[in-house]
Amino acid sequence: EAGVAQSPRYKIIEKRQSVAFWCNPISGHATLYWYQQILGQGPKLLIQFQNNGVVDDSQLPKDRFSAERLKGVDSTLKIQPAKLEDSAVYLCASSSVPGQANTGELFFGEGSRLTVL
Amino acid sequence: LAKTTQPISMDSYEGQEVNITCSHNNIATNDYITWYQQFPSQGPRFIIQGYKTKVTNEVASLFIPADRKSSTLSLPRVSLSDTAVYYCLVGDMSYGQNFVFGPGTRLSVLP
Repeated sequence: EAGVAQSPRYKIIEKRQSVAFWCNPISGHATLYWYQQILGQGPKLLIQFQNNGVVDDSQLPKDRFSAERLKGVDSTLKIQPAKLEDSAVYLCASSSVPGQANTGELFFGEGSRLTVL
Repeated sequence: LAKTTQPISMDSYEGQEVNITCSHNNIATNDYITWYQQFPSQGPRFIIQGYKTKVTNEVASLFIPADRKSSTLSLPRVSLSDTAVYYCLVGDMSYGQNFVFGPGTRLSVLP
């Protein structure tokens, strides 16, 4: 079974520039999450989708961050304009419906490391 | 969502058993307890999940007392490759649940 795919793995930009990250979840997983992980901290949830609808975006800085999940499959997270404090790893994760056959666990991609200079 | 509290860091030596305790005093009736492990430059990965008493798999054991206000992740005979950050999460396992990570416990296994 293919895992969660993310790209690019690394990105370096100047402040005030824009950047986009892409995520393709595990096939059939209805729920998709974007997390921001700053060095030395636990992942912080930015946005959660269920199919193509937003469930929770309360911690997404909407003045500069946007995310979409067209057709309920892959997703794009955009930052425009970037600030120095946006330097972090952006993790995408997906999960299926919890039930007897599985634990409803999160499956993470390898992440996209962003450096803002 | 139940708040969780874990030690920030722990040290151990190879071959020892490591126990990491997580406090979740306001755990709800429908909440499950799940532990994740994260290596540097990787996303977290699922280790074990439980609701009550004891759960064991090929990687770890999870001990949950009757009042469920805490849980202990037990790693038997750790090796250098177990050096990682371990996160305790509490959630009700509903469809589309919100997974909230705390700062985790940084385990360092020394030779």
